[in-house]
Amino acid sequence: EAGVTQFPSHSVIEKGQTVTLRCDPISGHDNLYWYRRVMGKEIKFLLHFVKESKQDESGMPNNRFLAERTGGTYSTLKVQPAELEDSGVYFCASWDRDTGELFFGEGSRLTVL
Amino acid sequence: AQSVTQLDSHVSVSEGTPVLLRCNYSSSYSPSLFWYVQHPNKGLQLLLKYTSAATLVKGINGFEAEFKKSETSFHLTKPSAHMSDAAEYFCVVSYTGTASKLTFGTGTRLQVTL
Repeated sequence: EAGVTQFPSHSVIEKGQTVTLRCDPISGHDNLYWYRRVMGKEIKFLLHFVKESKQDESGMPNNRFLAERTGGTYSTLKVQPAELEDSGVYFCASWDRDTGELFFGEGSRLTVL
Repeated sequence: AQSVTQLDSHVSVSEGTPVLLRCNYSSSYSPSLFWYVQHPNKGLQLLLKYTSAATLVKGINGFEAEFKKSETSFHLTKPSAHMSDAAEYFCVVSYTGTASKLTFGTGTRLQVTL
C-alpha cells in the first residue's frame, strides 16, 4: 500500500514567487493534515481537512497561504507570494481512523531566497 | 494551551548502551502522547502512543515509554542502542483524543557512536 506522497521534495524559489505543494494521502483516509517546520523551530499544525472541507485552519499563518482539497482526495498548499520566513519543511499527514495512527509524508522542503 | 518540552536537543550514546530521551508535557486534561521518529530524508514514523491504557507503552524497534502523571513526563527509553537508531525524535501531545492538531516538541537528535 502506498504511503502519503508529497511533491516536490524540494523547491527553491525567489521571494515574491508562487509555489504549490501537493499531498496525496493514503487512499481512503478522509482526514488530511498539513504541518510545517521552520528551521530551528518545532513542527506546527497548519490545517486539517475532513474530505474536502476545512475542519480547522487555525494554524495557517496568513492569507498568503491557500489550501485546497477538491474532491476530497489530494490536497494542495499554495504560497503566494512567498516570503523568506516561509522557508521550511511542509509535512502532510493522513489519519487512519481504524487504528488511530497518523501517517506522515516525507515532507516538501521549501527554500525562499 | 497544551505544550510539550523535550529537555535535550542532542543526545549521544555508544552503541549497546541505554537510550533515554526526556519529554515533559503540560496538562489540564488527560492527554494522548506520542513519540515519532524521523530518519534522514524520511517521513515521520510513529514509534509508540499512550492513550490512557497501560502507563508503560511498548513501541517498535525495542523502544518504550512510561507515562508518569505525577511528573507530567513521558520519557522514551531503549535498553541497548543500535546504529540504526540515529535519527531525530519528537515527543507529541494531543488533547482531543484523536490525531487532530498535534503539538510537537522541538525534537531530540540522537547520535549513536561505535
